[in-house]
Amino acid sequence: GAVVSQHPSWVICKSGTSVKIECRSLDFQATTMFWYRQFPKQSLMLMATSNEGSKATYEQGVEKDKFLINHASLTLSTLTVTSAHPEDSSFYICSARDRTSGKYAYNEQFFGPGTRLTVL
Amino acid sequence: QKEVEQNSGPLSVPEGAIASLNCTYSDRGSQSFFWYRQYSGKSPELIMFIYSNGDKEDGRFTAQLNKASQYVSLLIRDSQPSDSATYLCAVNPLRDGGFKTIFGAGTRLFVKA
Repeated sequence: GAVVSQHPSWVICKSGTSVKIECRSLDFQATTMFWYRQFPKQSLMLMATSNEGSKATYEQGVEKDKFLINHASLTLSTLTVTSAHPEDSSFYICSARDRTSGKYAYNEQFFGPGTRLTVL
Repeated sequence: QKEVEQNSGPLSVPEGAIASLNCTYSDRGSQSFFWYRQYSGKSPELIMFIYSNGDKEDGRFTAQLNKASQYVSLLIRDSQPSDSATYLCAVNPLRDGGFKTIFGAGTRLFVKA
């Protein structure tokens, strides 16, 4: 399968600061990337969908001004958590989909390893 | 009603037994169905996908899909302790053009040595 990386793998920050998480597709062009958040013992909750070169589509209840998503190229999407607070502490996971090559199953997503954010 | 429902478990089976994981979904027009495995602290990894009614086998894993009943399952034969993880059922509902993937809450599986 295709490889997706995330950076950083973990981050600890003070309340009120902003944190940027990068998601990269290493060996394919990601036409679409997804950002998920997962709290302990809960499932993945889709936050937003980003398509290269266009604005992200946010799920209901997700503040777009707080979670800034940029998908500037076919291999990179970034999520910036602005003015982070302790309740934003979570496991953030990105995934990428390649619909152009025809190599992968329809709608198959490749997940990054995740970023664990702790806000003090 | 949740879009994708799974029994949270934990499901405990002895080593070598068959583990049966079940999932139901609400959007009758859903087209694609996936099973992911997630180890604690890690991101999900795809085990299998299925689109058509019936069974699909891959090694020790068999996915079963029944669209009329809106039901998809995963069977793990000869369960190993390394299979202990949370298994996530995922579906692409038709309402978003089949574009988004909705995950169930997952079933925790323990395989006892």
